[in-house]
Amino acid sequence: ENVLTQSPGTLSLSPGEGATLSCRASQNVGNNYFAWYQQKPGQAPRLLIFDASSRATGVPDRFSGGGSGTDFTLTIRRLEPEDFAVYYCQQYDNFPLTFGGGTRVEIK
Amino acid sequence: QVHLVQSGPEVKKPGASVKVSCKASGYRFTTYGFNWFRQASGQGLEWMGWIGAFIGNTNYAQKFLGRITLTLDESTTTAYMELQSLRSDDTAVYFCARDRGTVVSLYWGQGTQVTVSS
Repeated sequence: ENVLTQSPGTLSLSPGEGATLSCRASQNVGNNYFAWYQQKPGQAPRLLIFDASSRATGVPDRFSGGGSGTDFTLTIRRLEPEDFAVYYCQQYDNFPLTFGGGTRVEIK
Repeated sequence: QVHLVQSGPEVKKPGASVKVSCKASGYRFTTYGFNWFRQASGQGLEWMGWIGAFIGNTNYAQKFLGRITLTLDESTTTAYMELQSLRSDDTAVYFCARDRGTVVSLYWGQGTQVTVSS
């Protein structure tokens, strides 16, 4: 299976700052079938980015995804209070679908 | 608009089975497939399996083979996940999610807490 490793585990930032989250895959992710999800406590995950760089409907343009192959990033341009959450990366190129362990973005 | 509404919390004894439902609305049911995931308290997301809505083909995670069954009822536009031979480490929130053509999960149910305890 394609193991995804997210870094860092936790980001401590202030509102207005930018954030860069990374995810490395153990195998090539074909077709750029790579996604990022945001999850807040007690809620289901929310799809932010699919196909590595496409924003899902309703996702603010301060969120952007990039990368290809085995290295992917999620950038949040200026953190808003509602952006403090846990973020997961996922590959859906092959079964089994796999997730990274998550990056917690917390208020500094 | 698309809605996925899951069944309520369950408490089961070890060795029992649980069947979680996921009622879909707001789109043509046979167009998109469903993934099922689970999340233990304080832990990350774990994929359990996928079912295609058109012909009901399935793909299961290796660790659940023999214990999981995903099904669809087109007449009620409901997806089901049944997990058998429950153990205490199956205690988790279970999510259904509808894909968008590729198997990425665009729409999610609210989650169902399943607690396995003697």
